[in-house]
Amino acid sequence: QKEVEQDPGPLSVPEGAIVSLNCTYSNSAFQYFMWYRQYSRKGPELLMYTYSSGNKEDGRFTAQVDKSSKYISLFIRDSQPSDSATYLCAMSAGYGNNRLAFGKGNQVVVIP
Amino acid sequence: GAVVSQHPSRVICKSGTSVKIECRSLDFQATTMFWYRQFPKKSLMLMATSNEGSKATYEQGVEKDKFLINHASLTLSTLTVTSAHPEDSSFYICSARDMDKSNYEQYFGPGTRLTVT
Repeated sequence: QKEVEQDPGPLSVPEGAIVSLNCTYSNSAFQYFMWYRQYSRKGPELLMYTYSSGNKEDGRFTAQVDKSSKYISLFIRDSQPSDSATYLCAMSAGYGNNRLAFGKGNQVVVIP
Repeated sequence: GAVVSQHPSRVICKSGTSVKIECRSLDFQATTMFWYRQFPKKSLMLMATSNEGSKATYEQGVEKDKFLINHASLTLSTLTVTSAHPEDSSFYICSARDMDKSNYEQYFGPGTRLTVT
């Protein structure tokens, strides 16, 4: 079983729809959870960062972490064409070793 | 804040030559930088962890003699692909952790596209 599982999609939605992305993981030591957005031929950009379980909201973006189920989610409300990108989940156990375990990435296309 | 740059953004080289890629943290100091490789439509594969002033730690399967990493200062790490071959063609991305922050965020560079002909 891979450390982090993420369905690569792609996912196409009409403009204004809610985009729902998720990842599952197997390593119970993970405590830091991140979502990165990557546009084509660019480096990943940190979108959301969450420590341990709970919800975090930033504008149109909401990140959820359920450590008991080893499941994290990212929701994008009122999606825009500019949200079209690949979204990667990443996580780390922290404590000195900042090695990030990445999901495969989920390509999202928001259709105007 | 938290800007990481890479140079060059893209490079084309002939088979057998060596290529150096620079990764710089522009507005913060980074004791640790990471080098990743990404194939088309694939996730990032960690190649090595670069620590300032010490040897890099390579992931299993990554040839340390082929991918030379030097972290000479708190703001600069370099990756040199030696004796490059077409199979080394890829998107190379670095990231850096802000040593003054207690969280574990990593900031990524824009990537370097290497094409070996």
